[in-house]
Amino acid sequence: EVQLLESGGGLVQPGGSLRLSCAASGFTFSGHAMSWVRQVPGKGLEWVSTVSDSGTGTYYADSVMGRLTISRDNSKNTLYLQMNSLRAEDTAVYYCACTGFGEIDYWGQGTLVTVSS
Amino acid sequence: DIQMTQSPSSLSASVGDRVTITCRASQGIRNDLGWYQQKPGKAPKRLIYAASSLQSGVPSRFSGSGSGTEFTLTISSLQAEDFATYYCLQHNRYPRAFGQGTKVEIK
Repeated sequence: EVQLLESGGGLVQPGGSLRLSCAASGFTFSGHAMSWVRQVPGKGLEWVSTVSDSGTGTYYADSVMGRLTISRDNSKNTLYLQMNSLRAEDTAVYYCACTGFGEIDYWGQGTLVTVSS
Repeated sequence: DIQMTQSPSSLSASVGDRVTITCRASQGIRNDLGWYQQKPGKAPKRLIYAASSLQSGVPSRFSGSGSGTEFTLTISSLQAEDFATYYCLQHNRYPRAFGQGTKVEIK
């Protein structure tokens, strides 16, 4: 059974940092690009970032460029999102996902990040 | 950047109705588009990939069509479990982009 389990969400003050993790199992993690997608409660989906299967290629939404950093450890089957200089508008549920080309479509359950003083 | 314009933003329909949702890309994206369904409190689930291919396990009342800049998701006969929000996502180039979403509500 495929599982993507996010962790690391929580309450953080504006300007603070947080690191999200996504532990993958049940599929060949190292063979697929992985992404983070977020959703402000009650609003639509926003693509945040994608990392290539090897980890050498990284891509970001303009809204997070320079503040959020995606990475992966294929030896640990884990995806990360380092979040720095957080703003109130970064408050959202963050999903890790393996979706895009081909038939594979896996999503985690999401982790809530709240940026507030 | 590619913008995805989805319409309508919401619609009311009855069980058994045929429903059509449209996404328009600001540039050609070949058939690099998926359609997703999301229910409250749940992660999205893809229904259609490569614009017109049905995801495994998804009922055949869902279908997708289009290529280039115009794409359509059709539900041939709406069922009670289909009331949800639907999104398109282009994965032709970065940055990826979702449509704004279409909330399908019960009439």
